Amino acid sequence: GAGVSQSPSNKVTEKGKDVELRCDPISGHTALYWYRQSLGQGLEFLIYFQGNSAPDKSGLPSDRFSAERTGGSVSTLTIQRTQQEDSAVYLCASSLYGTDANQPQHFGDGTRLSIL
Amino acid sequence: GENVEQHPSTLSVQEGDSAVIKCTYSDSASNYFPWYKQELGKRPQLIIDIRSNVGEKKDQRIAVTLNKTAKHFSLHITETQPEDSAVYFCASPPGNTGKLIFGQGTTLQVKP
Repeated sequence: GAGVSQSPSNKVTEKGKDVELRCDPISGHTALYWYRQSLGQGLEFLIYFQGNSAPDKSGLPSDRFSAERTGGSVSTLTIQRTQQEDSAVYLCASSLYGTDANQPQHFGDGTRLSIL
Repeated sequence: GENVEQHPSTLSVQEGDSAVIKCTYSDSASNYFPWYKQELGKRPQLIIDIRSNVGEKKDQRIAVTLNKTAKHFSLHITETQPEDSAVYFCASPPGNTGKLIFGQGTTLQVKP
């Protein structure tokens, strides 16, 4: 596709429910990243996938958060038993990957998650 | 782990003036330093980046300088315009890891 696509754009759910957020990266990009942006704050790294390598999960805030990437393309971020502090914009980014892991990352529009 | 500090948190300038935003990082192995612009309600957009093998990079009215010894890098915007008003974020990855650690952001207001 032309850019990183995320769905849904907005999600409102009740505390305690599970949510799934989807990210479709730029075609041909092998690296995919999830970040979280709380209101008026900077971006917080959550998890990073690169090809078939084991994901870097070092930024996940608790075991309620998990993510998978199927077929090396689409990724789903799942939050179980949501809490009010999970309310934020969840941003996905993708990049090409080469001998240097540090490549320009391009972001999607994000999913605005609100926990009631 | 890597820590990125960004200053100032807010910056107000008159149209036509220059704006400078500074970031410091902690991991001496970091080798990539991007800057993102985020307009209200929009996605972060990469506006310029620099690698550790150069000290300065320029693209029209924006430039980035890097001082590896002091572990800081700066964004310079010249001849500012009202459409430059946005939140700007610096970032740096710890080593060659790919994941970005972001600064807290600078809200730039350009007054017409």
